[in-house]
Amino acid sequence: GAVVSQHPSWVICKSGTSVKIECRSLDFQATTMFWYRQFPKQSLMLMATSNEGSKATYEQGVEKDKFLINHASLTLSTLTVTSAHPEDSSFYICSARDEVLRGTGELFFGEGSRLTVL
Amino acid sequence: AQSVTQLGSHVSVSEGALVLLRCNYSSSVPPYLFWYVQYPNQGLQLLLKYTTGATLVKGINGFEAEFKKSETSFHLTKPSAHMSDAAEYFCAVSGSGYQKVTFGTGTKLQVIP
Repeated sequence: GAVVSQHPSWVICKSGTSVKIECRSLDFQATTMFWYRQFPKQSLMLMATSNEGSKATYEQGVEKDKFLINHASLTLSTLTVTSAHPEDSSFYICSARDEVLRGTGELFFGEGSRLTVL
Repeated sequence: AQSVTQLGSHVSVSEGALVLLRCNYSSSVPPYLFWYVQYPNQGLQLLLKYTTGATLVKGINGFEAEFKKSETSFHLTKPSAHMSDAAEYFCAVSGSGYQKVTFGTGTKLQVIP
């Protein structure tokens, strides 16, 4: 199946700094990528839909200036958590659709990134 | 609008016993339905999906699910649980292959030796 790689897997940062997480589709092109946040023992919360070459579409309640999303190419989307605070600590997961298989609706997920803000 | 309800946040079964994870959905259009599995500190992996056609779908690792439109259900089953099946399972629905996917709250499966 299609492979999505997410980096870094783990990141620890100080409060007030910014952290960038990358999501790459390794063997397919992804016009659309999705960013999720997962709290402990909870489901995935969709944060935003990342569209190649255009602005991301954010879900209600997600701060656009806090969570910057860039989708500069068909294989790369980035999530930058700006001025991170301890409450931003979470597990962030990206997913992508294969343009060839897009009609099936199947999502391919990255491995996730565990962010800890001290 | 669409939503997913997973009954039971935790399910425990003995090794070798039947696994049954329940999922009910709501969708204003014919749904695409998915089951994903998540192991600790990892992303999600697709187990199986229903889009159109045969209502009984088979997935990886011996899992299968049946789409029942009249019951708006898509329950996941496996005849015999293995220790390696212990994980979190998510049911998901989409209105089509081009729409957002909505996830249920997940069911944590525990397999008792």
